Amino acid sequence: DQQVKQNSPSLSVQEGRISILNCDYTNSMFDYFLWYKKYPAEGPTFLISISSIKDKNEDGRFTVFLNKSAKHLSLHIVPSQPGDSAVYFCAASAPGGSQGNLIFGKGTKLSVKP
Amino acid sequence: DSGVTQTPKHLITATGQRVTLRCSPRSGDLSVYWYQQSLDQGLQFLIQYYNGEERAKGNILERFSAQQFPDLHSELNLSSLELGDSALYFCASSVGRAGNSPLHFGNGTRLTVT
Repeated sequence: DQQVKQNSPSLSVQEGRISILNCDYTNSMFDYFLWYKKYPAEGPTFLISISSIKDKNEDGRFTVFLNKSAKHLSLHIVPSQPGDSAVYFCAASAPGGSQGNLIFGKGTKLSVKP
Repeated sequence: DSGVTQTPKHLITATGQRVTLRCSPRSGDLSVYWYQQSLDQGLQFLIQYYNGEERAKGNILERFSAQQFPDLHSELNLSSLELGDSALYFCASSVGRAGNSPLHFGNGTRLTVT
């Protein structure tokens, strides 16, 4: 049972436009959500996170929105740049026990066209 | 550069064999995590160690084992290898618990079982 779902395997956006990557989750106990970016032949790198007590977190061109009632979060990248082309993973963390680790979605491959 | 070092980068071996993957965490990080990424799959959590002790276990097969040594480096041992074990294996480290201290990933070890 997938607790973190990224339903779009891929997304193509024009340079300068907004990229919106979506993520849904099922476990209401998740208290932290993170986005990671992965280039080919490299490990994932941390991008931005949000606590479940917030609904928005912004860092430069990247903004993450959290809708707890819908169990949905999204990553907005604006303006999109060709260097943003990568696979983006949504991840969630629950406090304690065997959930003391990150649960990852399958990723969305973003292509930003010049 | 995440500061997490994984060796080897590539490993090709035959079914039934045993291999050891090695990870050196970022300086100062006490937690080490192992993740498996198979084709078209997200990152699957295998196991976490914190300061030498097993902290959390995920979908790790009984044929797999891991340990964290006093110098905090970690090894993942995979035995009786099967074709389906072919995957990218990532090590990550963090200062504390996964949620509020982002994971820093190595570049992975690509294991091919023939």
